[in-house]
Amino acid sequence: GENVEQHPSTLSVQEGDSAVIKCTYSDSASNYFPWYKQELGKRPQLIIDIRSNVGEKKDQRIAVTLNKTAKHFSLHITETQPEDSAVYFCAASRPELSFGAGTTVTVRA
Amino acid sequence: GAVVSQHPSWVICKSGTSVKIECRSLDFQATTMFWYRQFPKQSLMLMATSNEGSKATYEQGVEKDKFLINHASLTLSTLTVTSAHPEDSSFYICSARGQGHEKLFFGSGTQLSVL
Repeated sequence: GENVEQHPSTLSVQEGDSAVIKCTYSDSASNYFPWYKQELGKRPQLIIDIRSNVGEKKDQRIAVTLNKTAKHFSLHITETQPEDSAVYFCAASRPELSFGAGTTVTVRA
Repeated sequence: GAVVSQHPSWVICKSGTSVKIECRSLDFQATTMFWYRQFPKQSLMLMATSNEGSKATYEQGVEKDKFLINHASLTLSTLTVTSAHPEDSSFYICSARGQGHEKLFFGSGTQLSVL
């Protein structure tokens, strides 16, 4: 099956700085890579996604890059704000979604 | 985005009882629904995949006789935790996807506490 690894497990950044979360996947058949943000006790919310035929996608302060050859994809958050503090999950779809272990992001004011 | 409703949001039950959790897609037809389990500060672990009108496919290690899944309509899937025990206490969350769509939408989750 698909194995998704996510790093780092925790990330603390100063407000205004950038945050980068990296994921790798094992199954070359995976073709859809969403990122979810989950606040404590709440449902995961889709924040951005990318398909395997695209290398990069940006939505305001959030961007995702995909290296299909290396089976790497990353989430970039620029100009971080306190409300960006949450747990972020990457996932790879075959089409069943396999999730990474999550990254707890803390933005220090 | 599409709306997925999940009820109840939390439930406390005695050991040995059964608990039913409902997951509804409110504004789209969910041909596939997924059930996950999430322990505190951990990732979402897929328990089973259900397609409307057919039997659910369970992940390895998930007891199908303990976690009964029904997906009788395109808008409703239920998860019944039978003979619940304290170790079944967890956050259960469903997600749904429409036919031909990649995006997955999550329910609000159910916190189950078994005493």
